[in-house]
Amino acid sequence: DAKTTQPNSMESNEEEPVHLPCNHSTISGTDYIHWYRQLPSQGPEYVIHGLTSNVNNRMASLAIAEDRKSSTLILHRATLRDAAVYYCILTHQAGTALIFGKGTTLSVSS
Amino acid sequence: DSGVTQTPKHLITATGQRVTLRCSPRSGDLSVYWYQQSLDQGLQFLIQYYNGEERAKGNILERFSAQQFPDLHSELNLSSLELGDSALYFCASSVRDRGNTIYFGEGSWLTVV
Repeated sequence: DAKTTQPNSMESNEEEPVHLPCNHSTISGTDYIHWYRQLPSQGPEYVIHGLTSNVNNRMASLAIAEDRKSSTLILHRATLRDAAVYYCILTHQAGTALIFGKGTTLSVSS
Repeated sequence: DSGVTQTPKHLITATGQRVTLRCSPRSGDLSVYWYQQSLDQGLQFLIQYYNGEERAKGNILERFSAQQFPDLHSELNLSSLELGDSALYFCASSVRDRGNTIYFGEGSWLTVV
């Protein structure tokens, strides 16, 4: 499976935008880019995913580089409840288990 | 609420014992996954079942086994428990869509004493 690289930690202030980067230079043409997050003492939660085009949903936006070797998860206005570990994961087509790395621990200050 | 139900939520047992963790996937999801999360190992993929058959194996110990039943619920059996098996065990199920979105349960906390 292609690997992803994320910063260990990031900090943000409440109500400010947050840009969480992810590098995946060995991504293949059929790999989807997934983002999950895990709040303390909870199961991982799906955030967003995409293949080539930028994606938006109620939780976040996903910006994918034109060469697909990197992507950025954008939280438009961080809240205290967004403090979590964010995982960037590449998946093949339907049916593949997610392999989690260490992710980025996001801290949000008021 | 992800729709994935795990029982029990908490379990304390002694070394050498055997426990069974149960998972009910989201309605209609055919794939079930088991993960283990401990402080030092992070989230580790254990095993995947699809419609009753084993689909993929991860870092699952030989002392651990799983199965998926005809009604699609799954059980993870942990035997000859050791202190190091203390962890949070997650079950997840997936929609067979493009990209394979996976939904996790709230986990079963296992403490081995």
